[in-house]
Amino acid sequence: EPEVTQTPSHQVTQMGQEVILRCVPISNHLYFYWYRQILGQKVEFLVSFYNNEISEKSEIFDDQFSVERPDGSNFTLKIRSTKLEDSAMYFCASRPRLVTDTQYFGPGTRLTVL
Amino acid sequence: SQQGEEDPQALSIQEGENATMNCSYKTSINNLQWYRQNSGRGLVHLILIRSNEREKHSGRLRVTLDTSKKSSSLLITASRAADTASYFCATAVSGTYKYIFGTGTRLKVLA
Repeated sequence: EPEVTQTPSHQVTQMGQEVILRCVPISNHLYFYWYRQILGQKVEFLVSFYNNEISEKSEIFDDQFSVERPDGSNFTLKIRSTKLEDSAMYFCASRPRLVTDTQYFGPGTRLTVL
Repeated sequence: SQQGEEDPQALSIQEGENATMNCSYKTSINNLQWYRQNSGRGLVHLILIRSNEREKHSGRLRVTLDTSKKSSSLLITASRAADTASYFCATAVSGTYKYIFGTGTRLKVLA
């Protein structure tokens, strides 16, 4: 069964450094998402991406964040200058086409900012 | 209250018992999805119910949706120790591309 994959599974970085989190959505899906989950808290929507552009973003997704689909398979989240409070689990998700389609999640990348 | 509040926050039951979790939301939605998350792991999709549906079943899962009350419930029948996890509802907000997650219910099933 196709699945969303994410790399790395765990990323440790120093405050102020740039990080890129990578995702490979399911191949025939058209909508892509990033979410984060701070330890012990709920999952928060960051951004949705469709047709090579951001379709919606939350107030969390400020200028420090960017997303890109550099080729036909990868979907990346970049944090330009990490802060301690960026430490969280980051989930990528994709869905096929319709708003009534299921959204499938990747296993997540745990980001630790020191 | 926030969009996507769930209750109870935590639930502890014996194996074989049924577990019911509730989710409330505030906006119009296209659909509502339930996910399971084992500790520190990813989100596993359980079931999706569309806004024009009232009830849906999948195996031991039963989901109801009451759009007039803006609430949903997830029932797990004949629970097993392996059902121990956190359960989240996620609403696809109408007119947006956004999904909003609930605060989650931590279910513990005792063998």
